[in-house]
Amino acid sequence: AQSVTQLDSQVPVFEEAPVELRCNYSSSVSVYLFWYVQYPNQGLQLLLKYLSGSTLVESINGFEAEFNKSQTSFHLRKPSVHISDTAEYFCAVSERETGGFKTIFGAGTRLFVKA
Amino acid sequence: DTGVSQDPRHKITKRGQNVTFRCDPISEHNRLYWYRQTLGQGPEFLTYFQNEAQLEKSRLLSDRFSAERPKGSFSTLEIQRTEQGDSAMYLCASSPDRPNEKLFFGSGTQLSVL
Repeated sequence: AQSVTQLDSQVPVFEEAPVELRCNYSSSVSVYLFWYVQYPNQGLQLLLKYLSGSTLVESINGFEAEFNKSQTSFHLRKPSVHISDTAEYFCAVSERETGGFKTIFGAGTRLFVKA
Repeated sequence: DTGVSQDPRHKITKRGQNVTFRCDPISEHNRLYWYRQTLGQGPEFLTYFQNEAQLEKSRLLSDRFSAERPKGSFSTLEIQRTEQGDSAMYLCASSPDRPNEKLFFGSGTQLSVL
């Protein structure tokens, strides 16, 4: 059975500082890994995903995440955050179940960027 | 393509009443998911469909919850004899039938049980 652990419930950070949001997962089979973002008063949307190949994946707004199979981690990083990055970030894992694929989400990390 | 739509956006009900929510996925998407989200938590998996087949239902879900997707298009989620603990945002998502595809989420139905 799969599970997703986001180690930090809240991360306050000053604008232009670097940030890392941590995510660990457990699964007995190959998985697909995702980060979703939920901006205030908006729905969930995909930020980036890892499927296969290069373990480092990037989003269009400067975030990146690295898949580490040995540590079963998929931490999200940004070298310099902006006020507009304030949002809740969810790590998600998708693995094959009988007949299809199920996606499980972590509890989320609230990123609060201060001026 | 209008995205995933959910109806109603908000529902207020009294404890003990039954409620039904509707989700219309993106038309060509085979997979449809229901999640529940409470304040400060991530989406909690409830159930999912591949076309009209319900492939899995969360073990945490009581028998008061039932979902259908009769023609493999829209889906309904019914909660019978609602309890205050059922108050949450109910999210629907859909995706094509490929493992590497992202989920497209609707705006959700906010349920308040008084």
